[in-house]
Formats: sequence, structure tokens, C-alpha cells
Amino acid sequence: AQSVTQLDSHVSVSEGTPVLLRCNYSSSYSPSLFWYVQHPNKGLQLLLKYTSAATLVKGINGFEAEFKKSETSFHLTKPSAHMSDAAEYFCVVTYSNTGKLIFGQGTTLQVKP
Amino acid sequence: SQTIHQWPATLVQPVGSPLSLECTVEGTSNPNLYWYRQAAGRGLQLLFYSVGIGQISSEVPQNLSASRPQDRQFILSSKKLLLSDSGFYLCAWSVPSGTTDTQYFGPGTRLTVL
Repeated sequence: AQSVTQLDSHVSVSEGTPVLLRCNYSSSYSPSLFWYVQHPNKGLQLLLKYTSAATLVKGINGFEAEFKKSETSFHLTKPSAHMSDAAEYFCVVTYSNTGKLIFGQGTTLQVKP
Repeated sequence: SQTIHQWPATLVQPVGSPLSLECTVEGTSNPNLYWYRQAAGRGLQLLFYSVGIGQISSEVPQNLSASRPQDRQFILSSKKLLLSDSGFYLCAWSVPSGTTDTQYFGPGTRLTVL
């Protein structure tokens, strides 16, 4: 079955330190991959997307993600966390044969001062 | 530019009462439209999607229904709410350019059924 797994339900970092949010997807057909961020009681905002172009994708707010087909991973990174980055992050995959979004369960990012 | 609106932002309803949530999109024509529900502490579940006026596909059997009376209007309804209908409801749109369309989400409606 097509699926996406976010390996950490909670990640806590100190302000100014790097952020790593991990995501693995099931390998099938041609995936497109997205990262969305959700602040409390808000809708989802698109951070970045991979659609079979460059494997290193740069997004908004200093985030980037690298598509690694051999590892079936699409981890989200940021060199230096900011307090405003504290939010819920969703890794999402869609496959060319269905077009439907499949959401990971989310990772809560906590940023400590 | 395109914008998506949802209202109301929050809603508290008694069990057994009806429901109507509205979503509208501006700045685009013939979008694909979607309704998702996000239960507390969980990911998003696709409820309905629509590729055109009057065309609704349901993803899961449930107490809810959807309608698309106009090109850029998507309505989520229920005749009788259940406690389990509580959650955060998100509307989304995409430009139908293929099978891997990027979806853009509205601000959401927080529904509490008491």
C-alpha cells in the first residue's frame, strides 16, 4: 500500500540549532512529495514540493528537503531554527496513478529559547 | 492571486443539529476542490473532492455530504451531527494540471459537537 511515515512525532531543538524532520515514503510509481506546515488552529501552508526535477528542493522560510530515491526518504531540514518555526509539520506524498494526497501523521516541532 | 476562504472559523453545535460549512476560492476557474477533516492529534483525512460543478466524490462513508453549487463554492453539510463529527475541517483547492497537483489549503473551521 502507498504510505508515508514521519519517523518522529515530536522534535525539540534550541533556537539557532539545525532542524531535521524525517519522512519516508513507500516506493511505488512516481511520487510527488510535499512538506506542509500548520500553526495552531490554522490551515496548512505549503513549504516546498518535489516533482521529479532537482532532488534538493528549497522552500520558504529557509527550509529545504532532499529526495533520496535509494532511501525512499524526503527529510526536511533547516540550518538554524527560529522561534516562529514551532508548529506541526506534515510530509505528504501523491502518486501519479492516483493523484490523491497521502498525509503523514505529523511532527510537532518545539523550539526552545 | 488566488485566495481561499472558509467560514465560520469556529462553530459549536449540539448533537443532532444540522451543519453547513462553506468554502470559496477566488482568482481561479474550474479548480479541483477538497474537504478534509483533522481529528485532534491526528493527520488529515480526505472526505470529499470535486472536479467540477455537481461532481462530488466521497472518500469514506460518513454522516456528512458535500455539494458544489457554483464553480468556486464547496459546501460541507450534515443533517444531524454526531459527537464524532468534531474536528478541524479544511478546504483545499488545486489547479487540475495533472495527477500530482499541488493543493492549497484554507484557514479551516474548528467544529465542536457537544
